[in-house]
Amino acid sequence: AQTVTQSQPEMSVQEAETVTLSCTYDTSENNYYLFWYKQPPSRQMILVIRQEAYKQQNATENRFSVNFQKAAKSFSLKISDSQLGDTAMYFCAFMSNAGNMLTFGGGTRLMVKP
Amino acid sequence: EAQVTQNPRYLITVTGKKLTVTCSQNMNHEYMSWYRQDPGLGLRQIYYSMNVEVTDKGDVPEGYKVSRKEKRNFPLILESPSPNQTSLYFCASSFYSRDSLANYGYTFGSGTRLTVV
Repeated sequence: AQTVTQSQPEMSVQEAETVTLSCTYDTSENNYYLFWYKQPPSRQMILVIRQEAYKQQNATENRFSVNFQKAAKSFSLKISDSQLGDTAMYFCAFMSNAGNMLTFGGGTRLMVKP
Repeated sequence: EAQVTQNPRYLITVTGKKLTVTCSQNMNHEYMSWYRQDPGLGLRQIYYSMNVEVTDKGDVPEGYKVSRKEKRNFPLILESPSPNQTSLYFCASSFYSRDSLANYGYTFGSGTRLTVV
């Protein structure tokens, strides 16, 4: 079974600065998908960024980018130019090639301070 | 608008009183699933369905039932709720194709906050 670990329960960052959220996972599979979801106070689960394991290039979506280290089984999220609207819970998630389940980490609560 | 709709948004009930949380999607997705969210544990899968009349257990299925009689609906049934089922519940859906899963992940509903007293 796969496991996903987010070692930072809470983090804070000043507006306009950069912050990195950590995620490690454990799997014996070679092909899989990794995701970061954002959950604001509204509770909605919003897909932020995704990465396919066979792609070596790190994914980027505007201010959000990942550092994917397949050998180390690490998938960190970098948020540049942090905005107040980035305040939320962030979940790292793993999906195997079977696609029938997302395995989530415990989440990191991010607070962006003005 | 493409969406996953859950009802109710909030529910308080008493131990042992059967309840159903409804989930409906309008995107013709084959795949649907239920998750529960608890502090520090993230989201954990309860049940999933690959298509009509096809369901299977996730990581935490005890105390729950599901059915998939129509493609768009996937209700979650708690026949005898207990306080340890107090949680935030999410329904999710997706096309079951590699491209769809890789590019879009799952589409989630807005969540149902359930309290069992």
